[in-house]
Amino acid sequence: DTAVSQTPKYLVTQMGNDKSIKCEQNLGHDTMYWYKQDSKKFLKIMFSYNNKELIINETVPNRFSPKSPDKAHLNLHINSLELGDSAVYFCASSSRDGSSGNTIYFGEGSWLTVV
Amino acid sequence: KQEVTQIPAALSVPEGENLVLNCSFTDSAIYNLQWFRQDPGKGLTSLLLIQSSQREQTSGRLNASLDKSSGRSTLYIAASQPGDSATYLCALLNQAGTALIFGKGTTLSVSS
Repeated sequence: DTAVSQTPKYLVTQMGNDKSIKCEQNLGHDTMYWYKQDSKKFLKIMFSYNNKELIINETVPNRFSPKSPDKAHLNLHINSLELGDSAVYFCASSSRDGSSGNTIYFGEGSWLTVV
Repeated sequence: KQEVTQIPAALSVPEGENLVLNCSFTDSAIYNLQWFRQDPGKGLTSLLLIQSSQREQTSGRLNASLDKSSGRSTLYIAASQPGDSATYLCALLNQAGTALIFGKGTTLSVSS
């Protein structure tokens, strides 16, 4: 069973569009994250979220917004897509209560290409 | 602000060699340190996790150490195999548990 799953795996879209990437975890974790991996393969955190607080990396444009319908889901919505948004987006989850040692589990990534 | 540096950026070795990947960080106030593996076009796989209070962890041919006082971690791979070829990423979880800060990775190539 896939622990952290995200869809779609590949997305090609035009500039100016609005798109969403969905993420679901079945690990019972209370914290979820979105990471962006740029063309140089560097991973940077965008958001971390649990049922109490949303922490936003201050470098993330406000065109990006996380939406969490429940503890098991954290979707990433992007408005007015720009060419520079092309990247791989990784969803991840962990349990902040210390179970499993705070190991963070990653999804397989969503490859976004803006044309 | 935490900064994570991995050296070398790339490494090529013949099969069977033992090797060490290095990770250094600037802020020792961490919750834990994880080593990940990423294959081309794939997601991240967690290899080893060392809690802040621990010094090392072992899994099979892999051994990771943590020295908070010097801001260093190493990943030791014994008897390397072509299947070990991948990018290895070091990441630190901050004390609040809200962010995993990654290094830029070491890309390993093991030739048969």
